[in-house]
Amino acid sequence: DAGVTQSPTHLIKTRGQQVTLRCSPKSGHDTVSWYQQALGQGPQFIFQYYEEEERQRGNFPDRFSGHQFPNYSSELNVNALLLGDSALYLCASSLLLGQETQYFGPGTRLLVL
Amino acid sequence: QQQVKQSPQSLIVQKGGISIINCAYENTAFDYFPWYQQFPGKGPALLIAIRPDVSEKKEGRFTISFNKSAKQFSLHIMDSQPGDSATYFCAARGGRDDKIIFGKGTRLHILP
Repeated sequence: DAGVTQSPTHLIKTRGQQVTLRCSPKSGHDTVSWYQQALGQGPQFIFQYYEEEERQRGNFPDRFSGHQFPNYSSELNVNALLLGDSALYLCASSLLLGQETQYFGPGTRLLVL
Repeated sequence: QQQVKQSPQSLIVQKGGISIINCAYENTAFDYFPWYQQFPGKGPALLIAIRPDVSEKKEGRFTISFNKSAKQFSLHIMDSQPGDSATYFCAARGGRDDKIIFGKGTRLHILP
């Protein structure tokens, strides 16, 4: 049973560029949440997708957007990259109803130069 | 009110000793308190979790103690091993909110 997978593992971009990160949830899971983890910090919630809609959003600007596909996989898009967007981006999957447990993927390490 | 405060930032323990990490919260709507373990280059992995109707939960060498009135909870790692060296995050989730609020993490180093 494959866990949560993310691609790419590492990415280098320059300021002002756009980036798309991808996530495949754990088998049987229908909800995907995205987190940003700056170096030496705990993960911070960006947003959550369920039934192809954004269900909840954290305190992140509109430059951060996402999408969920019918197969429950998800993308995180960040436009107009800033140096401060450099971080580990984590995807977590869960079952929406009755399950608090979120399973995290290995993350995508984004470096903005 | 949405914060989870974690201490200490870093911890060094001798092999075989007890590692203790503490967390505090303000939001009484929180009803699920997981602990995550993260190794360098990896995503956080769920270690153990507790609900506020239970004062203690033990899984192997890992124990969560929960004090609802004080709004505090802690992770105890018994017989700490070098393989336990990692960053540990306490977290909370609750009410109608599915997002997990993480503490800032504790870097644990077990001396061989």
